[in-house]
Amino acid sequence: EDQVTQSPEALRLQEGESSSLNCSYTVSGLRGLFWYRQDPGKGPEFLFTLYSAGEEKEKERLKATLTKKESFLHITAPKPEDSATYLCAVQGRGDRDDKIIFGKGTRLHILP
Amino acid sequence: DSGVTQTPKHLITATGQRVTLRCSPRSGDLSVYWYQQSLDQGLQFLIQYYNGEERAKGNILERFSAQQFPDLHSELNLSSLELGDSALYFCASSTSGGYNEQFFGPGTRLTVL
Repeated sequence: EDQVTQSPEALRLQEGESSSLNCSYTVSGLRGLFWYRQDPGKGPEFLFTLYSAGEEKEKERLKATLTKKESFLHITAPKPEDSATYLCAVQGRGDRDDKIIFGKGTRLHILP
Repeated sequence: DSGVTQTPKHLITATGQRVTLRCSPRSGDLSVYWYQQSLDQGLQFLIQYYNGEERAKGNILERFSAQQFPDLHSELNLSSLELGDSALYFCASSTSGGYNEQFFGPGTRLTVL
């Protein structure tokens, strides 16, 4: 069964304490893996797209990497404004249509 | 501001009723996606339209339907509403029908009483 599992469910870090969020996926025919950030009560905000194993993307304090089974979102020296829920999604080949599957997210809280 | 607009922001209705949610994509985007987000299920993909045609279908119930109009705005119709349909409904848009980033609107919060 196609699925996306994110871990940990929640993470509390001190400001400046670097860490990584994990997204494990099982999907047939990966078309793309996406990372989004979601603030409470708002729509997800696009961060990165990764298409093939070995690919890496960076933006400010965030870096996303992809292997054949998982993706990591590395956060370097985070600030309180990085507090949010980070969502991982995969788009894969389905029987009839492509499938889009979101993980349940990692709630990140950065303490000042 | 993503450029995607959704109306209304909030909707309160009763079980058995029918509602329509509206979405206007970013200027130039041809694809519109609909999602349902509830606390226990996370973000669930419902359906995608590309340039007026249905492109992909996810976990959309038969009581729900959607369409995309010639001006590219989209509507999601929810009928025979149940308590469990209470959720945040998001619309997103992207430039093409392929595998690229989506820009999400602010959502419509539906409460079924």
